Amino acid sequence: EAQVTQNPRYLITVTGKKLTVTCSQNMNHEYMSWYRQDPGLGLRQIYYSMNVEVTDKGDVPEGYKVSRKEKRNFPLILESPSPNQTSLYFCASRVTGTSGVGEQFFGPGTRLTVL
Amino acid sequence: DQQVKQNSPSLSVQEGRISILNCDYTNSMFDYFLWYKKYPAEGPTFLISISSIKDKNEDGRFTVFLNKSAKHLSLHIVPSQPGDSAVYFCAASAAAASGSRLTFGEGTQLTVNP
Repeated sequence: EAQVTQNPRYLITVTGKKLTVTCSQNMNHEYMSWYRQDPGLGLRQIYYSMNVEVTDKGDVPEGYKVSRKEKRNFPLILESPSPNQTSLYFCASRVTGTSGVGEQFFGPGTRLTVL
Repeated sequence: DQQVKQNSPSLSVQEGRISILNCDYTNSMFDYFLWYKKYPAEGPTFLISISSIKDKNEDGRFTVFLNKSAKHLSLHIVPSQPGDSAVYFCAASAAAASGSRLTFGEGTQLTVNP
């Protein structure tokens, strides 16, 4: 089954304790990205990756890191989480179509609470 | 700077009637638009898209209309069904932009009453 998986689905942590949210896709997609969803703000892109070893900042990258060592995996790293990073996080992937844009497939989300 | 706006946080319609969800954008470089549907505890799923070279795209009960001069698009659902109750996100992309990333609106909660 084609899918994007994220782990963990729920996480409660404390300020300053490093954490990693994993993301994996089995569709051989080149493009992967991370979003956060906050009430009244919709989904905002944190980081994206056009392919292995190619990553770039999205709209709200502060406080986050990513890596893309393998095509299927795109982990999101919070080196020193703060309460304002409490949010619902989504990983997504897609092929790069002829127009440069294709349908994105989203993971189920990770609910993060930073105390 | 919210480049994609969905001004209605919520919409309630009766089963069998038409649902119209609206979306406005400000960036004239956007040339591809998508609608996603999101149920609670799930990720968004792609619904329908439209390129700026078209003004209408239809897929079953779902039709998206694009008015480039007004920088406005809308999603019509006819007839609406209770299973359509979800949050709908409008998204836009500029193919020429770096990464061709999607910019999302705030979302509209659609409730279809039986």
